[in-house]
Amino acid sequence: GQQLNQSPQSMFIQEGEDVSMNCTSSSIFNTWLWYKQEPGEGPVLLIALYKAGELTSNGRLTAQFGITRKDSFLNISASIPSDVGIYFCAGHRGGNQGGKLIFGQGTELSVKP
Amino acid sequence: EAQVTQNPRYLITVTGKKLTVTCSQNMNHEYMSWYRQDPGLGLRQIYYSMNVEVTDKGDVPEGYKVSRKEKRNFPLILESPSPNQTSLYFCASSDSLFEEKPFFGSGTQLSVL
Repeated sequence: GQQLNQSPQSMFIQEGEDVSMNCTSSSIFNTWLWYKQEPGEGPVLLIALYKAGELTSNGRLTAQFGITRKDSFLNISASIPSDVGIYFCAGHRGGNQGGKLIFGQGTELSVKP
Repeated sequence: EAQVTQNPRYLITVTGKKLTVTCSQNMNHEYMSWYRQDPGLGLRQIYYSMNVEVTDKGDVPEGYKVSRKEKRNFPLILESPSPNQTSLYFCASSDSLFEEKPFFGSGTQLSVL
């Protein structure tokens, strides 16, 4: 099955730094989602994007739906230790696909105090 | 409290011994699905169900079975587990066919020896 290409695979940053990660696909998606997974837990939705070009923020997090509908970006500003976790992008093709999502491989974020 | 509950959280078994991982949601969601998470591969969908008695294959269905006899429950069955099914499994549910934001359970870590 298809997967999204997410990069980078891992990041080691200092507290206070900004973080950027992205996700690309060879095909179009109608919805892009960004999830965060903490150890021992399931993914939790951070941001949902529904329109090409859309820019949405959730606190220090900002995500964008690429104009081509084949990519998406997540930025975290002024990182803090509790930002540690694995961040996943996910795409949804719309129509009657329900909750069928295609996930990226994940970006593991480590924040040094 | 809205929940997707999986049991057990951890399971160690041997090759060929049938097992069932249960999943229950209390949100009256129509759509439920199972994912497996493997390092470097993100989450991949195993099976999904659009309603009671309606199930279909996801991206990696081989070696798995599911059933949906009641709206709230969606068990994952491994008739003859093999070591390559050692993985972290997540159940998820969504409100409808057109709900793109599945709500995830906390996961089941399965080891097949």
